[in-house]
Amino acid sequence: GAVVSQHPSWVICKSGTSVKIECRSLDFQATTMFWYRRFPKQSLMLMATSNEGSKATYEQGVEKDKFLINHASLTLSTLTVTSAHPEDSSFYICSAPGLPQAGGPYEQYFGPGTRLTVT
Amino acid sequence: GENVEQHPSTLSVQEGDSAVIKCTYSDSASNYFPWYKQELGKGPQLIIDIRSNVGEKKDQRIAVTLNKTAKHFSLHITETQPEDSAVYFCAAIPSSNTGKLIFGQGTTLQVKP
Repeated sequence: GAVVSQHPSWVICKSGTSVKIECRSLDFQATTMFWYRRFPKQSLMLMATSNEGSKATYEQGVEKDKFLINHASLTLSTLTVTSAHPEDSSFYICSAPGLPQAGGPYEQYFGPGTRLTVT
Repeated sequence: GENVEQHPSTLSVQEGDSAVIKCTYSDSASNYFPWYKQELGKGPQLIIDIRSNVGEKKDQRIAVTLNKTAKHFSLHITETQPEDSAVYFCAAIPSSNTGKLIFGQGTTLQVKP
């Protein structure tokens, strides 16, 4: 199946600094990628839809100036957490839709996730 | 918008027993319901899915049932094995069908040998 990678797998940063997370589709092109975050014992929450060559679409309540998304190529989307605070500590996962299925939606392929800890 | 509730949050079973995880959804127009398994250090992997025109689907030890009237769907794992231990997420794609997935809260399944 299709492979999506994320880098780094985990990162620890100091409060006030910025952290960039990369999401790559390794063997297919993705004009759209999705970014999720998960707090402990909670659901995967969609943060934004990353669109290649255009601005990202953010979900309600997600600060676009804090979570900068850049989808510069058909295989790479980046999420930058700016001026990170301890409450931004979370598990961030990206996904990319694969080939369309007959009569249905695209299957989503997920990256392994990035554990961010802000001290 | 769509809201998905998942229960239980944790489930512990003996090897060989069955495990059932239940989800409810709010958008009656949702038409696609995938289940994902997430193992430690890995991203969610699709294990089975069901569309709204089907009531049940089975793949070896895994089955999913859908009750559109009641707006709930369930994952059934039979003859559980220790390697089934993981976090399981249900999800739904709302009627807007933009590809966005709305996830349940997740169930941590532990299969004791």
